[in-house]
Amino acid sequence: DIQMTQSPSTLSASVGDRVTITCRASQSISDWLAWYQQKPGKAPKLLISKASTLESGVPSRFSGSGSGTEFTLTISSLQPDDFATYYCQQYNSNRYIFGQGTKLEIK
Amino acid sequence: QVTLKESGPALVKPTQTLTLTCTVSGFSLSSSGMRLSWVRQPPGKALEWLARIDWDGEKFYSTTLKTRVSISRDTSKNQVVLTMTNMDPVDTATYYCARISRRGVEFDNWGQGTLVTVSS
Repeated sequence: DIQMTQSPSTLSASVGDRVTITCRASQSISDWLAWYQQKPGKAPKLLISKASTLESGVPSRFSGSGSGTEFTLTISSLQPDDFATYYCQQYNSNRYIFGQGTKLEIK
Repeated sequence: QVTLKESGPALVKPTQTLTLTCTVSGFSLSSSGMRLSWVRQPPGKALEWLARIDWDGEKFYSTTLKTRVSISRDTSKNQVVLTMTNMDPVDTATYYCARISRRGVEFDNWGQGTLVTVSS
């Protein structure tokens, strides 16, 4: 199976900051990568599909980029509602692998 | 409106078999391109994909759990069932049912999840 390495595991930031989370795949996955936001006690919410396509209703401060093996999720100006845990997820050959998660904390 | 809801026991004993049911509404399991999966999350840990079943009945499993996991469906009841054998305390987790997008790549709708604790 392809391995996903997500970093950092924890990120401390302030409201208004620009933050970036990275996911690296152990081999090329084209643009078959999605990003999710998860809040405590809740199911994950799909934010971005196909590496850079923003899902309907997701604020435009979220953006995704990358292809091949390196991908990033950027939040341009953090809002209080954005403090959560974020996961990347890759698809390859009918298998799905999630990253280890990034907990975004208030500084 | 698309909804998914998991149901099953909250507590199972080690070595027992777990059976969870996902009841869906707002779409048909047999509709072309429809795919359902199970994903789990141990407390404080990351998400882990377990299995998928497609509109045509084809099934796919996690490489690491394929000897213990089985997925099936009852289209007349709009239900997908996950069975996991030989449960162990490390299998304690919230188990989610999730629909996969038409593209087949990402999970676009999730159930609320059900916490299963494995303990004697």
